Amino acid sequence: AQKITQTQPGMFVQEKEAVTLDCTYDTSDPSYGLFWYKQPSSGEMIFLIYQGSYDQQNATEGRYSLNFQKARKSANLVISASQLGDSAMYFCAMREGMGYSSASKIIFGSGTRLSIRP
Amino acid sequence: DGGITQSPKYLFRKEGQNVTLSCEQNLNHDAMYWYRQDPGQGLRLIYYSQIVNDFQKGDIAEGYSVSREKKESFPLTVTSAQKNPTAFYLCASTGTGWTEAFFGQGTRLTVV
Repeated sequence: AQKITQTQPGMFVQEKEAVTLDCTYDTSDPSYGLFWYKQPSSGEMIFLIYQGSYDQQNATEGRYSLNFQKARKSANLVISASQLGDSAMYFCAMREGMGYSSASKIIFGSGTRLSIRP
Repeated sequence: DGGITQSPKYLFRKEGQNVTLSCEQNLNHDAMYWYRQDPGQGLRLIYYSQIVNDFQKGDIAEGYSVSREKKESFPLTVTSAQKNPTAFYLCASTGTGWTEAFFGQGTRLTVV
């Protein structure tokens, strides 16, 4: 069965430092996608980065990169040079059947609350 | 601009009343989803729909109902059978292929 695990309920990081948010997943489907979202206190969900199960290289989007270790079933988010505005909840998510199913389930982890110290 | 609209942003209801949350999208997406979020928690899937007139239960469907009569609309009804309905509800949609989910702004439901 699909499962996403985020083991860090909360993290404190000094401004300008890099931070890694952990995410492990479980699936039996060889075709899946992994996503990271940011949720500020307003509640909106902001898409950050995507990694497909067949992608050979780790995804990068500006200051965000995804450390994809397929054999370990982990998809950690790395934020370089953290900023005060990065303080938010971060969710890892997974969708199975990518590319051939338009509406497979999308499940989310429990989230990590990241707080950036000035 | 294309997007997902949820209304209202805040909703108050008395215990025992059914309430319907609206979700409309103009992205021409096939799939739509409803999630529930409790304070400090992750998103839990209530229902999802791939096409018009078809939908599937998610992980916490009890006490909720949905309909998908139009591609653009996926309303969620929180029934009186839902024992603890106070929560933040998020609607999302996805297109075909390798796309992320787009979210609405959410509805905060408070039942008193």
